[in-house]
Amino acid sequence: GDSVTQMEGPVTLSEEAFLTINCTYTATGYPSLFWYVQYPGEGLQLLLKATKADDKGSNKGFEATYRKETTSFHLEKGSVQVSDSAVYFCALRGSGSARQLTFGSGTQLTVLP
Amino acid sequence: DTAVSQTPKYLVTQMGNDKSIKCEQNLGHDTMYWYKQDSKKFLKIMFSYNNKELIINETVPNRFSPKSPDKAHLNLHINSLELGDSAVYFCASSQSALGYTEAFFGQGTRLTVV
Repeated sequence: GDSVTQMEGPVTLSEEAFLTINCTYTATGYPSLFWYVQYPGEGLQLLLKATKADDKGSNKGFEATYRKETTSFHLEKGSVQVSDSAVYFCALRGSGSARQLTFGSGTQLTVLP
Repeated sequence: DTAVSQTPKYLVTQMGNDKSIKCEQNLGHDTMYWYKQDSKKFLKIMFSYNNKELIINETVPNRFSPKSPDKAHLNLHINSLELGDSAVYFCASSQSALGYTEAFFGQGTRLTVV
C-alpha cells in the first residue's frame, strides 16, 4: 500500500537558518504530493502541493519539488522565522477508490529567535 | 465561512460513556473522512464516505460507528469509551474525482477519556 516516510523530528533551528525536511514515498501509479502544516492547537492547513513529476510547489517561502526518480518531496525554506514553528506533515493522495491522504509521521519544527 | 466544521472542539468524558462528534462541510465535496491523531501527532485514517457510502473502514474497533445522513455531513459515534480513545479526531473532505486536489480539514475535536 501507499506509505510516506518523513524525517524524524524534532528539529530546532535559529531564525534565518535554512530548513530541509526530507520526505520519501511509496505508491502505485501517480500520486499527488502535499505538505500540510499544523500550528499549535489548530487543524491541518495545506502548505503546498505538486501533482506531477518535476512540479514545484511553493508558498510562504517554502518549496518542494516532486522527484519521481527518487520518490521524494523534500520541503525547503531559505530563511525560517519564529512564526514557522509548527508540525509539518508530508502526504500523498493515491489512486485508491477514496483517494485518501496518507501521511508521514510529522516533523516538529521549533525556530528560536 | 468555515469550510469544514466540527463540534465540539473539546470533549471530556468518563470511561464507558457514549459520545458523538459532528462534522459538516460546505464545499460541495463528495468524500469525507475521519482521521485520528495520537499523542505523537501521527495521523491515521479511520473511515471514508463517498456520496454517503462507506468506502474505507480501517482496523477500528466496532465501538466506532460513522454516520453520513447526506454528503455534507459525517458524524462519528463512539460507544463505551476507553482511555485509549483519547486523541484528536479530525474530519476532512475532498472531491474524489479530482485526485490532484487537497483535502480540507476541520479544526479537530480533542477527546479526553478519564
